[in-house]
Amino acid sequence: EVQLVESGGNLTQPGGSLRLSCEASGFSFTSYAMSWVRQAPGKGLEWVAIISYSGIPTYYADSVKGRFTISRDNSKNTLYLQMSGLRDEDTAIYYCARGTWFLEYWGQGALITVSS
Amino acid sequence: IVLTQSPGTLSVSPGERATLSCRASQMVGSGYLAWHQQRPGQAPRLLIYDTSKRATGIPDRFSGSGSGTDFTLTISSLEPEDVAFYYCQQYINSPGTFGQGTKLEIK
Repeated sequence: EVQLVESGGNLTQPGGSLRLSCEASGFSFTSYAMSWVRQAPGKGLEWVAIISYSGIPTYYADSVKGRFTISRDNSKNTLYLQMSGLRDEDTAIYYCARGTWFLEYWGQGALITVSS
Repeated sequence: IVLTQSPGTLSVSPGERATLSCRASQMVGSGYLAWHQQRPGQAPRLLIYDTSKRATGIPDRFSGSGSGTDFTLTISSLEPEDVAFYYCQQYINSPGTFGQGTKLEIK
């Protein structure tokens, strides 16, 4: 069974930093590109970042470029999203998902709240 | 590519058919369109990919169709557990884009 389990969600102040993790199991993690998608409260879905199966290349939405970094540790079957310079508008549930075309499996999400 | 879903909210009686629309601002080549379901308080899950292929474990009451710029998700006989938001997503280029969603309610 494919499982994606996010962790690291928290409350932080504007300008702060956080790192999300997504532990994958039930499939060959090293064979798949991965994505982070977020959903602001009461809003729709926004693709945030993409990483290839090897770690290069990566893609970022304009809204997070220069502030967020996606990475992966294939030896630990884990995907990461390092977030810095956080803004109020980054408040959202962050989902990791398998794939970069159609998103075949989703994690349960991690809540990031940015507020002073 | 901008995806526009309609209606914004759809109310359907149990056992009736639900038809959800997704219109693209440009041609979605090769039928690279997916549908995701998000039940209240849950993560999204993939229902349909490549316009009409059901994802693993998805009941056959869900079907997708369309081509070019117009796509449809049909639920043939609505069940109470189908209450959810439904999002279309195009992936002709990576990353793709999502529609704004249709809220499906039980009448």
